Parts: sequence; structure tokens; C-alpha cells
Amino acid sequence: QVQLQQSGLGLVKPSQTLSLTCGVSGESVSSDSVAWSWLRQSPSRGLEWLGKAYFRSNKWRSDYSESVKDRIDITFDGPMNEVYLRLTSVAPEDTAVYYCARDRLWAFDVWGQGTVVVVSS
Amino acid sequence: DILLTQSPGTLSLSAGERATLSCRASQYVSSSFLAWYQQKPGQSPRLLIYGASNRASGVPARFSGSESGTDRIRGTESETEFTLTIARLQPEDSAVYFCQQYGSSPTFGQGTKLEIK
Repeated sequence: QVQLQQSGLGLVKPSQTLSLTCGVSGESVSSDSVAWSWLRQSPSRGLEWLGKAYFRSNKWRSDYSESVKDRIDITFDGPMNEVYLRLTSVAPEDTAVYYCARDRLWAFDVWGQGTVVVVSS
Repeated sequence: DILLTQSPGTLSLSAGERATLSCRASQYVSSSFLAWYQQKPGQSPRLLIYGASNRASGVPARFSGSESGTDRIRGTESETEFTLTIARLQPEDSAVYFCQQYGSSPTFGQGTKLEIK
């Protein structure tokens, strides 16, 4: 059974970098049949997909939403079986609940527990 | 991005009744890439339906999804509509339901809140 455990700081100052970790159990992050996505949810923006990363043809690849593509980086640690989100230059509108999710490339079928991130000085 | 519009915004029904939730896409969406999620307060979204009509693992048969149709408007543009039906409503079905399309950039509808009276 695949499980995702999120961790990371819940309070970030404006202009700084948001960093979250998604620990995966029950499946290798290097699996070539899935991707790993980060999403967020806020009252103002609803559910929003931020980007995904995946391992194909012996390479790590990523795709990002246009809304954050200049500020986001999703990376892996294969041996640790973890996926990471970095979002730079955060602003109050980045305040949201952040989720990692297993991405089957047609839906998100396993979700982490969510991390509340507040951007405030 | 493809805009998904869900209706109604809120639905209040009694236990045992049937709920019909709609999701209309601003552009053509293949049924293969339309999913529905259930989210209860304080919880992460849970996948219910994928490929418009396939139930995810562990989802009761009371939940079903379908494609209602595609409307061709203004020449080549078209909108696609999908439906989530929940039969024999139970109190634990109270939740917000989201539709989601998986195109080059996945997007979600704004949600329908289902209340069980």
C-alpha cells in the first residue's frame, strides 16, 4: 500500500523559500509508471496543480504549471525515496495547504496528509 | 488552461436520495482524463472516479460517473460535460466533490458541497 508522509516548515517569511518533503513508502519514486506531483489548496485559488517530476529513460524529468514555473523546483532522492518541493520568492498569496500526490498521469490516486504553509513576516 | 465549472455549488439532500453533480469543461476533455474526488473537512482529497466512469479501489458502487455529452460551439470549439451520481445517499457522503481534468496542465473545478439533511 503506497503512503505519502509530508514534512516541512509551516511558516515562511515573504521573499524566502518554501521547502517541503514527501516521503514515499510502498513504491519507488524511481518507478517509470507514475509521476509525483505537488498541489496546493487555498480558499482563493481552490485546488491547484503546481508541477510533477518523474523518472523516464534513466533521467529525472519535471513539468511545471505556468503560474509558478519560474519559482518552482521538484526534485528526488532515490535512496531516501523522497520527493522535494522548493518554491522561491514566496508571497502571502502562496499561503495554502500543500499536498504531494502520486500521479498516474490521468489522476492523483494517493495523497499526502497535507501541510499548512503560511507566508507571513 | 481548461476551466471546469461545477454545479450546483451546494446540494442539500436527504439520506436515501440520489445526488447528481455536474462538471462542464470549457474545452473538449477526453473521458479518459476526467476524475472525481471527495474531500471531507480536514482531510486530503480522495480519488473516487477516474476515466470518467471507473471507480477507484474501495469506492462503493453507489458512486458512478459518466460523460453527459460534448457541445460543438463556434466552429471547432467544444465543451464537454460530465456527471457524478451518488445513489442512496448516506450521512458519510457529506463532503465537497471536485472534478479534475488531466491535460497538459491539470485543473480542478471549484467543487460542489453536498450536505445530507
